[in-house]
Parts: sequence; structure tokens; C-alpha cells
Amino acid sequence: DAKTTQPTSMDCAEGRAANLPCNHSTISGNEYVYWYRQIHSQGPQYIIHGLKNNETNEMASLIITEDRKSSTLILPHATLRDTAVYYCIVYGGATNKLIFGTGTLLAVQP
Amino acid sequence: DGGITQSPKYLFRKEGQNVTLSCEQNLNHDAMYWYRQDPGQGLRLIYYSQIVNDFQKGDIAEGYSVSREKKESFPLTVTSAQKNPTAFYLCASSISQGRIGEQYFGPGTRLTVT
Repeated sequence: DAKTTQPTSMDCAEGRAANLPCNHSTISGNEYVYWYRQIHSQGPQYIIHGLKNNETNEMASLIITEDRKSSTLILPHATLRDTAVYYCIVYGGATNKLIFGTGTLLAVQP
Repeated sequence: DGGITQSPKYLFRKEGQNVTLSCEQNLNHDAMYWYRQDPGQGLRLIYYSQIVNDFQKGDIAEGYSVSREKKESFPLTVTSAQKNPTAFYLCASSISQGRIGEQYFGPGTRLTVT
């Protein structure tokens, strides 16, 4: 499964959109992009996933570039409760595990 | 409400003792997973089970054991053979191994061994 690269940390003002980038330049055709988040001392929470089309749900939007080498998770109106570590994971079924890296710590500032 | 429960939230043990961490789910999911998380690190897979009475080792299974006698339960035993057992332990489930990308996690158990 392809490896991902994310910034270590990001800040965002409360009420503004949070845009979290992820690079996955070695992604292959059958691999999906998954996003999870983990609030401090809690279990991770699934957010969204996509293959090549942009996706939106009640939590976030996922924008995947046309070449699929990068993606952006968008939280449209960040709140203090969105402060968490966000994990970008690429998975296509080649192995029996998801690889959670160290993710991006998003700090939403009041 | 459906979900995954882990108990207890905090657990303290003396070195040399085995300890069993509980994980129960009422989501009717076939697949279940155990992860370990150390401070500032990502999650590492300990064991997973695709179906009742079946389980496989993950990346760091040494010093751990599991059982899957019931669909809803997947307990993890941290044995005295585990050299660094102090960590945050997370249990997860997915509808099936084929839907591994969409996992539901429990709240975790923080184990401290002294």
C-alpha cells in the first residue's frame, strides 16, 4: 500500500475552513484514500474516503487531484472540537491492515 | 446505541503479571482488531480476527494473545513476556475484512505497568 506524507501540525481559526493536505504520489489505481481523526486520548474516528471523485459527507469534504497523487480534507467551519490528529491513509486491499502514520495535529484557535 | 466498549479505561499492573483487556461490540461486525499506540506515535496492529474462532498476528504480536470465541468479543491478554506493555490499547471492528478501511474504534484502555 502506498505511503502518505502529511504536515506535522497546522493551525486554523475557529469558524474558518480547515484544509488538511496529504501527498500520496505512489498511490495505485485500486487504492482508496481514507481519512480518520483522533481526539486526544480517544479512539480514532472514521471521517471519509474516496477513490478519484470528490466526496462530501456531514463531517467533511475530500478533494482528490486528477492525478490522484494528493488530496485535501476540508472541514468547512472548524470548531474547537475539531482539534485532533488527522490521519490520511491509502489502502487498496493488498494487505490486511491500515497503516496509521503520525498524522497532522490540527489546532483550532478561538 | 451500537458501538464498541473497552474496559477499563485505565489499568495498572505490576511487572510480571498477565492482564486481559476487554473489547465488546454490538455492531454485528465480523472483523475485529487490536492496536497499540505509544506517545506521539501512530497505531500499530497487534492482532486481528476476520471471523469467530479465527485470528492472525499483526505487526507486533509478540507478548500478546487473543481469543475470538464469540462474534461480539475479542479480548487481548498482555502477557509478562511483553517487554514494554505500558501503552494505549485500542480495539476496532469493521463489517468484514473486506471493509477494513472503515473501522469503528473503542475509547481505548491506557495500561500502565510498573
